[in-house]
Amino acid sequence: QVQLVQSGAEVKKPGASVKVSCKASGYTFTGYYMHWVRQAPGQGLEWMGRINPNSGGTNYAQKFQGRVTMTRDTSISTAYMELSRLRSDDTAVYYCARGIAVAPERYYFDYWGQGTLVTVSS
Amino acid sequence: EIVMTQSPATLSVSPGERATLSCRASQSVSSNLAWYQQKPGQAPRLLIYGASTRATGIPARFSGSGSGTEFTLTISSLQSEDFAVYYCQQYNNWPPTITFGQGTRLEIK
Repeated sequence: QVQLVQSGAEVKKPGASVKVSCKASGYTFTGYYMHWVRQAPGQGLEWMGRINPNSGGTNYAQKFQGRVTMTRDTSISTAYMELSRLRSDDTAVYYCARGIAVAPERYYFDYWGQGTLVTVSS
Repeated sequence: EIVMTQSPATLSVSPGERATLSCRASQSVSSNLAWYQQKPGQAPRLLIYGASTRATGIPARFSGSGSGTEFTLTISSLQSEDFAVYYCQQYNNWPPTITFGQGTRLEIK
């Protein structure tokens, strides 16, 4: 069965960076784009971007351009999301989600990781 | 960026009754719309994609309709496990930016 298992909660200081991992199993990792979505406390869902695990190609939401880096390690079927220059309003649960493409760059998400809480506090 | 607006923000319905949730797009998204259910402390779960196709394992009491800018999620007979927050998501625009509605909280009346 498809599973996305994320790394554990993190506490970071403002200005630091955080790197969250997402290990995939139960399917061919390189066959589906991996997306990252975050959710601030009590708020809605916000798409951050995606990575093509096959090529490593990325597409980031404009809001996060220059601060987010998505990478992958195909040898261990794991995707990573690194967010730099953290601010207090980056405090959120970060999810990885497998994208199903209905057309180039048009995705919905059929499987999600369990989420990783990142807390940014001085 | 396409803005997705869900209404109402909170919906109070009794178990066994029908619930109707709305999602409006600021411009046409064709049928490129999905619905998710999220319970406290859990990740979202895909319910509907392509505006009206139920995802694998989703009960038939969940149905989606609409196209263009107006969409509806209907839960025909509410069960206790259906009380949650529901989000719509569009995946139509270019350059690719995926956007979600702000959510509708479905609570027990």
